[in-house]
Amino acid sequence: EAGVTQFPSHSVIEKGQTVTLRCDPISGHDNLYWYRRVMGKEIKFLLHFVKESKQDESGMPNNRFLAERTGGTYSTLKVQPAELEDSGVYFCASSQLETVNTEAFFGQGTRLTVV
Amino acid sequence: AQTVTQSQPEMSVQEAETVTLSCTYDTSESDYYLFWYKQPPSRQMILVIRQEAYKQQNATENRFSVNFQKAAKSFSLKISDSQLGDAAMYFCAYRPTQGAQKLVFGQGTRLTINP
Repeated sequence: EAGVTQFPSHSVIEKGQTVTLRCDPISGHDNLYWYRRVMGKEIKFLLHFVKESKQDESGMPNNRFLAERTGGTYSTLKVQPAELEDSGVYFCASSQLETVNTEAFFGQGTRLTVV
Repeated sequence: AQTVTQSQPEMSVQEAETVTLSCTYDTSESDYYLFWYKQPPSRQMILVIRQEAYKQQNATENRFSVNFQKAAKSFSLKISDSQLGDAAMYFCAYRPTQGAQKLVFGQGTRLTINP
């Protein structure tokens, strides 16, 4: 069974440019989460999808970040325009919807560097 | 708000020895889950062990065990007979059983195994 996959694994962009990160969850997982780890700090929650709906987007830093999950399958996280402080590792995770006691499976992360 | 603190940014241990990684948390909830995740370099983050707060017995998974002290809000991870493959970033995480499904992470501990 394929795990959670994220594209690209690394991205280096200039300040002011746009970047789109993609996450393919495990097939059948209705929960999808985005997290971010800024250098040396804790991993912080960004948002949570249940199928195609945003369940919780309380962690989104500002309106330069736009997440979508059309059709309830893969998700994209777009940063436009990117700023230096957006650099970090962006993680995606997915889990089944049915029970509370369900494990979240993580992707390998996308390392974003804004220069 | 819930917080998770890992006070050891880096730890090292000799191969075959035992190491303990510390984690403390703060919450007003009475029921919740605690997790230890492992992220090897450039690889996916995987779940190492999970503890349910209502269970008094400490969770164990082969060479990995936890010391869960609910009153002290402490949740340390013990790795016995350390192996080279244990080298990774280790993250402690918290999630309530009710309400928001998002994980709250600590800052992480980088574990090095010396041959």
